[in-house]
Amino acid sequence: GESVGLHLPTLSVQEGDNSIINCAYSNSASDYFIWYKQESGKGPQFIIDIRSNMDKRQGQRVTVLLNKTVKHLSLQIAATQPGDSAVYFCAEILNQGGKLIFGQGTELSVKP
Amino acid sequence: GAVVSQHPSRVICKSGTSVKIECRSLDFQATTMFWYRQFPKQSLMLMATSNEGSKATYEQGVEKDKFLINHASLTLSTLTVTSAHPEDSSFYICSAREYVGSHGYTFGSGTRLTVV
Repeated sequence: GESVGLHLPTLSVQEGDNSIINCAYSNSASDYFIWYKQESGKGPQFIIDIRSNMDKRQGQRVTVLLNKTVKHLSLQIAATQPGDSAVYFCAEILNQGGKLIFGQGTELSVKP
Repeated sequence: GAVVSQHPSRVICKSGTSVKIECRSLDFQATTMFWYRQFPKQSLMLMATSNEGSKATYEQGVEKDKFLINHASLTLSTLTVTSAHPEDSSFYICSAREYVGSHGYTFGSGTRLTVV
């Protein structure tokens, strides 16, 4: 199956600080990207998405940046809260078949 | 919003037995469902794509005779882990997409399988 079996990197931030989570994607032909949040023992929850013809999109407290030149995505969370503690994954939708492929993920820990 | 129900949430089975996991789209019809596997502290790995009424497409390295997928209706897909072994213990997650080209993927809550 696709994805790489590496262990998750971790990011620890203080409550109220901004968080930046980075992700490298693999397929230059992907035209749609999604960030998900996964809490322990649960399925992924949609956070925000972005099309490949955009380089930035903002939501409530979250911003996604896309750099297609280096195949890099980032998720910025403003004023991080303890409830934001979770694992965050980027995912790309492959043109063929619409398969959703997940990136490595980052575990975010928010200290009160 | 779209809801996907996955059942059971946890299952423990003996080595050599088979286990069936169900994935249902509750308020929409899912032409395509995806099955993922996730080991602790790792990402979700796509196992297979199932389209209603046709055979599932498996990712490279995934044994189709071991992980049987059936998508008999537009609201139900099942994954059966046959002759389970301890190394099959994992978190299995399904995802449903309403129509081809949709960017909306709704995930189930996952099934924790433990094989003893």
